[in-house]
Amino acid sequence: NAGVMQNPRHLVRRRGQEARLRCSPMKGHSHVYWYRQLPEEGLKFMVYLQKENIIDESGMPKERFSAEFPKEGPSILRIQQVVRGDSAAYFCASSPARANYGYTFGSGTRLTVV
Amino acid sequence: TQLLEQSPQFLSIQEGENLTVYCNSSSVFSSLQWYRQEPGEGPVLLVTVVTGGEVKKLKRLTFQFGDARKDSSLHITAAQPGDTGLYLCAGAPNTGNQFYFGTGTSLTVIP
Repeated sequence: NAGVMQNPRHLVRRRGQEARLRCSPMKGHSHVYWYRQLPEEGLKFMVYLQKENIIDESGMPKERFSAEFPKEGPSILRIQQVVRGDSAAYFCASSPARANYGYTFGSGTRLTVV
Repeated sequence: TQLLEQSPQFLSIQEGENLTVYCNSSSVFSSLQWYRQEPGEGPVLLVTVVTGGEVKKLKRLTFQFGDARKDSSLHITAAQPGDTGLYLCAGAPNTGNQFYFGTGTSLTVIP
C-alpha cells in the first residue's frame, strides 16, 4: 500500500526553463494538496485539487504556476520560466475526502534553479 | 492570514531531558495537528486534536489543545536521539481548504 509518491525527488533547472512536478496520491485518495516549503517561511499552501477540478488555488502565484489532476494519472504542478526564487521543496499531500484532520505527505520534490 | 507562532525556534537538549514546544495563535482553529519532519522527507502526522482542552498521549509525547482552541503544546518526556527533527504545528480554520503551518521547532537530542 504505497504512500503519496512524488517525483522527481530532486530537480535542477536553469532560469527560464520549465519544471514539472508529479504527485501520485495514495490509492483511493481523490483529493490532492500542494504546499511549498522555504527555509525561513515554513509550509505554505498553494492549491487544492480533486479529480479534474481545481477547488482552491488561492495560494498559487498568478503567473507561471499551474496545477492539474487529470482523471487518469498523477497530479502535476507546472512552473514555467523558472526563476531563482522558485527554488524550494514542493510537497504534495492526499486525502480520501476534504482533509479536516491532517494530511499524508509525500517526500517532496526539491527544486533548484541555477 | 492566520499566523501560528512556534517557540522555541531551536532547541538542543541532552538525552533523557524533558521539553515542551508551544504553538500559539490569535485565531481559533477547528482542529490542530502536529507533524515531525526529518531532513529530506515530508512531514509525518503525529496527532490531531479537535476539542478545546483535549489531551492526547503518544508514548512519550503529550499533546494538549488550548481551551479556546487557539494554542497547543507538545511535551516530550525523556527525549531520545530518535526524537530529533523539525516539529510543525498546523491549524485548520473553521472555513477554507488549507491548513496554516507554524514555522517549526528544530529539536536536536544529543546522545
